[in-house]
Amino acid sequence: GEDVEQSLFLSVREGDSSVINCTYTDSSSTYLYWYKQEPGAGLQLLTYIFSNMDMKQDQRLTVLLNKKDKHLSLRIADTQTGDSAIYFCAEGVNAGNMLTFGGGTRLMVKP
Amino acid sequence: DTEVTQTPKHLVMGMTNKKSLKCEQHMGHRAMYWYKQKAKKPPELMFVYSYEKLSINESVPSRFSPECPNSSLLNLHLHALQPEDSALYLCASSTSGTPGGEQFFGPGTRLTVL
Repeated sequence: GEDVEQSLFLSVREGDSSVINCTYTDSSSTYLYWYKQEPGAGLQLLTYIFSNMDMKQDQRLTVLLNKKDKHLSLRIADTQTGDSAIYFCAEGVNAGNMLTFGGGTRLMVKP
Repeated sequence: DTEVTQTPKHLVMGMTNKKSLKCEQHMGHRAMYWYKQKAKKPPELMFVYSYEKLSINESVPSRFSPECPNSSLLNLHLHALQPEDSALYLCASSTSGTPGGEQFFGPGTRLTVL
């Protein structure tokens, strides 16, 4: 079955790095995504990684994938107050592009 | 144009009203989605349209009726809703038939049912 889990909450200081973790159970996942949602807004696609990759870097964002352990992480370098939001990981499991979302991690950045 | 737009931004309706939510994209995407999101929860998939045809209905009550008039537009018709239907309704689109194609979300319509 499909199950994606995330920790509920993370608090960091401005300028520090943030690491948000996600675990999934479906080994047939082809893509894994990170979305950001600010209060009252829709979901913004931040980045994604294909399942045959170990790492992807995009400016301040680094995604690490451990396929053996089914563990995904998002590292945000030099975290800013504007990064405060809920971060959802999601897995895409078939050609129909259906996404299974984790429960979301609320990131709070303190000045 | 690389965005998904939704109208209205906010909607308050009574349980006997009929209203519609609208979604539009001009990215040439051939799959469009409706999600429902309750506070502090992830989005829950409601419907998927692929090439203007309903391909997935996640056992959504009939008081929600989707419509896809053309490849750029997606509507959600609402009738006789319940207070528990109050939520953020999100529309998304993606390139259909491409494994792993990313979904682009609109800003959502915040619905309150009195």
